[in-house]
Amino acid sequence: AQTVTQSQPEMSVQEAETVTLSCTYDTSENNYYLFWYKQPPSRQMILVIRQEAYKQQNATENRFSVNFQKAAKSFSLKISDSQLGDTAMYFCAFMKLRYGQNFVFGPGTRLSVLP
Amino acid sequence: EAQVTQNPRYLITVTGKKLTVTCSQNMNHEYMSWYRQDPGLGLRQIYYSMNVEVTDKGDVPEGYKVSRKEKRNFPLILESPSPNQTSLYFCASNIPGDEQFFGPGTRLTVL
Repeated sequence: AQTVTQSQPEMSVQEAETVTLSCTYDTSENNYYLFWYKQPPSRQMILVIRQEAYKQQNATENRFSVNFQKAAKSFSLKISDSQLGDTAMYFCAFMKLRYGQNFVFGPGTRLSVLP
Repeated sequence: EAQVTQNPRYLITVTGKKLTVTCSQNMNHEYMSWYRQDPGLGLRQIYYSMNVEVTDKGDVPEGYKVSRKEKRNFPLILESPSPNQTSLYFCASNIPGDEQFFGPGTRLTVL
């Protein structure tokens, strides 16, 4: 079974600064996807970024980028130029690609962006 | 507009009274899933479906039932709710191997 760990329950960052959220996972699978989802106070789940395990290049979406270390099973999210609207819960998620739909989420990191 | 809808958004009920939370998607996605979200535990998968009449258990299926008679609908059934099923529930859909699109969530309280 897969597990996803987020070791930082809460974090804060000053507006315009950079922050990194950590995520580690455990799996015996070789092909899988990793995701970061954002959940603002509205509770809506919003995809931030995704990474295919077979790709060595780290994914980037505007101010959001990941540091994917497959051998270490690490998948951290870096948010540059933090904005007040980035305040939210952030969930790391793992999805295997073999038969089935085993989607596993981490416990989340609550990020507060301070003015 | 592409979306996943859930009803009701809020529900307060009593122990043992059967209830159904509906979920519908208009994106023609094959896969649909149900999750519950509890503080400190993240989202945990209850059941998922890979197509009509094909469903399978997730990590926390006890006390829940699902059915997939139509591609767009995936209701979650609690036949005898208990207080430990008080939670925030999400439905999601996706095409195989791609990101999940989530509904707005249903806040359930079982007294």
